[in-house]
Amino acid sequence: GAVVSQHPSRVICKSGTSVKIECRSLDFQATTMFWYRQFPKQSLMLMATSNEGSKATYEQGVEKDKFLINHASLTLSTLTVTSAHPEDSSFYICSAPGTVRDTQYFGPGTRLTVL
Amino acid sequence: AQSVTQLDSQVPVFEEAPVELRCNYSSSVSVYLFWYVQYPNQGLQLLLKYLSGSTLVESINGFEAEFNKSQTSFHLRKPSVHISDTAEYFCAVSVNTDKLIFGTGTRLQVFP
Repeated sequence: GAVVSQHPSRVICKSGTSVKIECRSLDFQATTMFWYRQFPKQSLMLMATSNEGSKATYEQGVEKDKFLINHASLTLSTLTVTSAHPEDSSFYICSAPGTVRDTQYFGPGTRLTVL
Repeated sequence: AQSVTQLDSQVPVFEEAPVELRCNYSSSVSVYLFWYVQYPNQGLQLLLKYLSGSTLVESINGFEAEFNKSQTSFHLRKPSVHISDTAEYFCAVSVNTDKLIFGTGTRLQVFP
């Protein structure tokens, strides 16, 4: 089946620094990837749609200058949290539509902690 | 806009007991419905989905869900749970099958 990986799985950083999270489709190509954010005991909230070769589409209320998305190839999308603050601490998850129709494949997530 | 409600944040059950995880949705247009499962330290995996046709859909590991349009529900059921079913279960809806709107999740804890 289709596999999506994320790196790193956990990251701790100081307030004010930037953090890059990678999302890779390992055995299939993905022209589109999705980035979600999950707070403890809450739902996954769609942040943005990453489009290969073009600008990402952000959901309402998501700061595009804060959460930079780059979809440089058909297998890699990156999310950079710029000038991170403690309120950015969360679980970030990516997904990609795979080879099975109408199915999204999710990465294992990245736990970001900003001190 | 669409929304999903999972009323039960946690459902504890004993092994071999039946279980139902509730999911209700709200939408002014037709939607596709999904159940995803997240095992500890793993990514979300599709459990089953309703796109069209038969309102009763089944997964390969014994779960089933029934789409009820009049009650706007898509409850997940299993007649006999196993320890290995312990996980977080998310109900989701979508208008175009790509952008998913998730519920808050239900933690199913199966005890021996």
